[in-house]
Amino acid sequence: NAGVTQTPKFQVLKTGQSMTLQCAQDMNHEYMSWYRQDPGMGLRLIHYSVGAGITDQGEVPNGYNVSRSTTEDFPLRLLSAAPSQTSVYFCASSRGTGLSGNTIYFGEGSWLTVV
Amino acid sequence: ELKVEQNPLFLSMQEGKNYTIYCNYSTTSDRLYWYRQDPGKSLESLFVLLSNGAVKQEGRLMASLDTKARLSTLHITAAVHDLSATYFCAVDSGNYGGSQGNLIFGKGTKLSVKP
Repeated sequence: NAGVTQTPKFQVLKTGQSMTLQCAQDMNHEYMSWYRQDPGMGLRLIHYSVGAGITDQGEVPNGYNVSRSTTEDFPLRLLSAAPSQTSVYFCASSRGTGLSGNTIYFGEGSWLTVV
Repeated sequence: ELKVEQNPLFLSMQEGKNYTIYCNYSTTSDRLYWYRQDPGKSLESLFVLLSNGAVKQEGRLMASLDTKARLSTLHITAAVHDLSATYFCAVDSGNYGGSQGNLIFGKGTKLSVKP
């Protein structure tokens, strides 16, 4: 059971380039999210999805796009990378019944550097 | 706007000692999560606390939740070196579609346990 899989693990981009961080889960979870982690800032929510075809913005959505065409996949797109987007990105998923606490599973992280 | 504050942010302990990490949050929430993160690694789920007065224990760690005070604690008993890591608390904001998996994180407590 792979859980939450993120690719790539490491990436260096030049300012203005675009790229997509991939996230896939094999647990049939409804809820998927993207976070970024910066030193001393904890994790901050970028975008989230409550099911296929449904996405919405989190705390820090600017500069990022998402889509959810399938339950399994939730890619994060950087349209025009900026140095301020240098960060570690985590994808997360959960079952999200709404009635009880569920474990939220995180991927291994993607280290992105924008130069 | 939900804010989550942890203290202390840095904690240096001696093996065998006890200590408590505090997590305060600013608005009502009934789901609080504790995570552990080792350097360069993903987040490992420790506890999910769902109701007022909830207490959970795993090994040398015990977490509790007081929803009236909007306070959670993570108590470390007889610390050992293997507990050295960064510990995060996170609260389900309910702001983003009212769904689980969309968390507001504290900045983390970096714990170092010395012999």
